[in-house]
Amino acid sequence: AQSVTQLGSHVSVSEGALVLLRCNYSSSVPPYLFWYVQYPNQGLQLLLKYTSAATLVKGINGFEAEFKKSETSFHLTKPSAHMSDAAEYFCAVSPNAGNNRKLIWGLGTSLAVNP
Amino acid sequence: ETGVTQTPRHLVMGMTNKKSLKCEQHLGHNAMYWYKQSAKKPLELMFVYNFKEQTENNSVPSRFSPECPNSSHLFLHLHTLQPEDSALYLCASSQEIVYTFGSGTRLTVV
Repeated sequence: AQSVTQLGSHVSVSEGALVLLRCNYSSSVPPYLFWYVQYPNQGLQLLLKYTSAATLVKGINGFEAEFKKSETSFHLTKPSAHMSDAAEYFCAVSPNAGNNRKLIWGLGTSLAVNP
Repeated sequence: ETGVTQTPRHLVMGMTNKKSLKCEQHLGHNAMYWYKQSAKKPLELMFVYNFKEQTENNSVPSRFSPECPNSSHLFLHLHTLQPEDSALYLCASSQEIVYTFGSGTRLTVV
C-alpha cells in the first residue's frame, strides 16, 4: 500500500529565501512521485514528476525535487522564494507497476511568502 | 487554459434542488475523475472513469450521480445535498500517469 506524509501543514518563508517542502512516502513497489501546486481558487497544476529516470527532477517556476530511495523522501525545493509562489503544494505517489494509476495524496502544505 | 474546463465555477443550491456539474476535456485523455476538496481534509477521490466506463466509486452517497457520455465529457448530478457537501469539486483527466485538473466548482449547499 502507498501513503504520503507532508511534514508541516504551513510553511512561511521570506521573499528570496530557500523554500523546502517535505514529502515522505511509503510504497511496496517502485513509485512514481509528483508535486502539484494549487493557487487560490484554482485547480491543481503539475509542478514536476519522478518516473524512475534521473533522481533530481526539475519542474516549472524554478522548483526541483530529489528522489531519495534510502530516505523514502521527495522533498521540493526552490533556491529563492517569490511572492507568486504563495500557494498550496501537494505531494502524491502512484505505483510504478501494473495498470493502476490512482494517485495517493498528501494533505498539502500551505506556503506563505513574506515580503 | 488548463485543458480541462469545469462549469459552473460557483454554485449555490438549496438542499431540495437538483443541479449538475460539467467537466470537459479535449486533451485526448482516456481517464476522467471527480474529486472533492474540503478545508483541512485530504483530496477525496469520488469517481473514476476509464474509456467511459466507471471503474471506481469510493463509497460516495447516492445523492451524487456521475455520468460519462463520452471520453471528453463528465457530469456530476446533484440532488438533495447536505450542508456538509459544500466543497470544491475538482474534475481531472489523465493519460498514463499525469493528471490535468480543471479549476473546480465551488459548491455551497444552503
